[in-house]
Amino acid sequence: QVQLVQSGPEMKRPGASLMVSCKASGYTFSTSGIGWMRQAPGQALEWMGWISTDTGDTNFAQKFQDRFSMTRDTSATTVYMKLESLRSDDSAVYYCARSYSDRWWFFDHWGQGTLVTVSS
Amino acid sequence: EILLTQSPGTLSLSPGERATLSCRASRAINTNSLAWYQHKPGQAPRLLIYGASTGASGIPDRFSGSGSGTDFTLTISRLEPEDFAVYYCQQYIDSPLTFGGGTKVQIK
Repeated sequence: QVQLVQSGPEMKRPGASLMVSCKASGYTFSTSGIGWMRQAPGQALEWMGWISTDTGDTNFAQKFQDRFSMTRDTSATTVYMKLESLRSDDSAVYYCARSYSDRWWFFDHWGQGTLVTVSS
Repeated sequence: EILLTQSPGTLSLSPGERATLSCRASRAINTNSLAWYQHKPGQAPRLLIYGASTGASGIPDRFSGSGSGTDFTLTISRLEPEDFAVYYCQQYIDSPLTFGGGTKVQIK
């Protein structure tokens, strides 16, 4: 079965960098891209970006463009996100999710979420 | 950017009742590229509907989606206890992808 397993919770200081991994299994890795979303406490889901696991092409929400990056390791079937210059309002649960296809970016399988706390 | 406005913010209903959730887009979503998700605390979101009206794999048929253009609806025909959750719509016709603010369906 399709599984996305994310790395564990993180506590970070303001100004630090965050990296979260998303290990995919149960399907052919290159057939569907991976999106990243987050949900701050009491807030709605927010899309951050998407990466093609086939080509490595990326697409970002403009809000994050300057400090957010994504990479993939096809041999490890893992996608990584990095968010730099963390602020307290980056505290959220971060989710990776598989897009239905490289064309249609709705998300049919999700990781379990990674809780990130940014605090001095 | 396409803004999605969900209403109502909270819906208080009893098990067995019908739930009607609305998602309105700031401009027309061609090709009906709209999805609905269910989200429970401490869990990952779950895809319910895509293409505005196509049920995702394994989703009970009490969940249905309808609408086109700027107005979309998720209907739960008879609420089961496990259906009390927050529901989000998401458009995927245009980047940035956007989600609505959510509708919380709570037990009355």
